[in-house]
Amino acid sequence: SAVISQKPSRDICQRGTSLTIQCQVDSQVTMMFWYRQQPGQSLTLIATANQGSEATYESGFVIDKFPISRPNLTFSTLTVSNMSPEDSSIYLCSAGGNSNQPQHFGDGTRLSIL
Amino acid sequence: AQSVTQLGSHVSVSEGALVLLRCNYSSSVPPYLFWYVQYPNQGLQLLLKYTSAATLVKGINGFEAEFKKSETSFHLTKPSAHMSDAAEYFCAVTTNTGNQFYFGTGTSLTVIP
Repeated sequence: SAVISQKPSRDICQRGTSLTIQCQVDSQVTMMFWYRQQPGQSLTLIATANQGSEATYESGFVIDKFPISRPNLTFSTLTVSNMSPEDSSIYLCSAGGNSNQPQHFGDGTRLSIL
Repeated sequence: AQSVTQLGSHVSVSEGALVLLRCNYSSSVPPYLFWYVQYPNQGLQLLLKYTSAATLVKGINGFEAEFKKSETSFHLTKPSAHMSDAAEYFCAVTTNTGNQFYFGTGTSLTVIP
């Protein structure tokens, strides 16, 4: 199974700034996903990132707020832009999920906005 | 569209007792079902998966789950709870017609010594 490395593991940021989260996979994967997990809640899909195409965003998430890059088959970044306290959350990267295969997750980025 | 419902957001069991975490799914096509565990300050770790082979699926750490089409269920069980099982558990569904996973709201398992 794929091993996902995500960084930073946590950060405390000032209101109005932006943070880029990196996700590295130890093997080539077609699909990568970015989720948000509010404390004590389930996962909400932000977007699906396929290499060579624009990310597909879910309802309620827009590219200007959460720009995503997918430069190759092993790497992706998610930027949280112009942060506000409402963006305080855990952001999770995953990879895989083709057909009957599971998604594999990184350890997440715990983000707090002051 | 697919969805999963996890009954019981919090479950407490005594150490050594049976663990039963419930998951019911909704899918218009044959589903693929997964259970994940999340320990504090970690991501999600795959426990087991059902992908249309055997209906009784064995996973890591002594967990197993049974796919019951007639009941649209995929409940997670473990015969004897261990303190290290305390965590958040998520059920998820997808299908071969799409790649998106749909996660349940999670069940927090507490193990009482």
